[in-house]
Amino acid sequence: DTEVTQTPKHLVMGMTNKKSLKCEQHMGHRAMYWYKQKAKKPPELMFVYSYEKLSINESVPSRFSPECPNSSLLNLHLHALQPEDSALYLCASSRIVGETQYFGPGTRLLVL
Amino acid sequence: AQSVTQPDIHITVSEGASLELRCNYSYGATPYLFWYVQSPGQGLQLLLKYFSGDTLVQGIKGFEAEFKRSQSSFNLRKPSVHWSDAAEYFCAAASGGGSQGNLIFGKGTKLSVKP
Repeated sequence: DTEVTQTPKHLVMGMTNKKSLKCEQHMGHRAMYWYKQKAKKPPELMFVYSYEKLSINESVPSRFSPECPNSSLLNLHLHALQPEDSALYLCASSRIVGETQYFGPGTRLLVL
Repeated sequence: AQSVTQPDIHITVSEGASLELRCNYSYGATPYLFWYVQSPGQGLQLLLKYFSGDTLVQGIKGFEAEFKRSQSSFNLRKPSVHWSDAAEYFCAAASGGGSQGNLIFGKGTKLSVKP
């Protein structure tokens, strides 16, 4: 089973709202990733967690706050977003960093 | 700098025809290579991967890819395309652990299938 689940599937939020995206995997993977994907573009890496510790932050604005409460769960907390943050947010996991990444279905975010 | 190039932005093929999607990489050493497919509004599904060994790799949905070191290429092929293959295809590469393990994506090739 190579399933990564993400909730919610769709999210609409105002610029003053606080919301969270959730990602879960039960494959025993110890690396988890957040990507942002705009229309007609490849995914852009945002964050990498390795063994529940943040190992890479690709200069992402502080209005995006990742959290890895345990080895199966990855959250992305959103606050004071801008309309240009509207995108598909993808979560992925791999056994360890550098190995094959398996992606979730994504959360489609619209910021009004 | 490390990079992955997909020269074709958009390809249209007839249903039942053969398909080849091109991918070239630029790395210091041979990276790990991947092909992912993405249907509209969906996540990325892994089609196949190459780490080492046999240069012809079989994947899911009848796809295969051939690694050619001399050409720094990893082209994706399918002998007979089905309408359900219409999607965006991404070639990606990674090299080693740490930040080198980050996937570098090509810009993608959109495949349209004519009936």
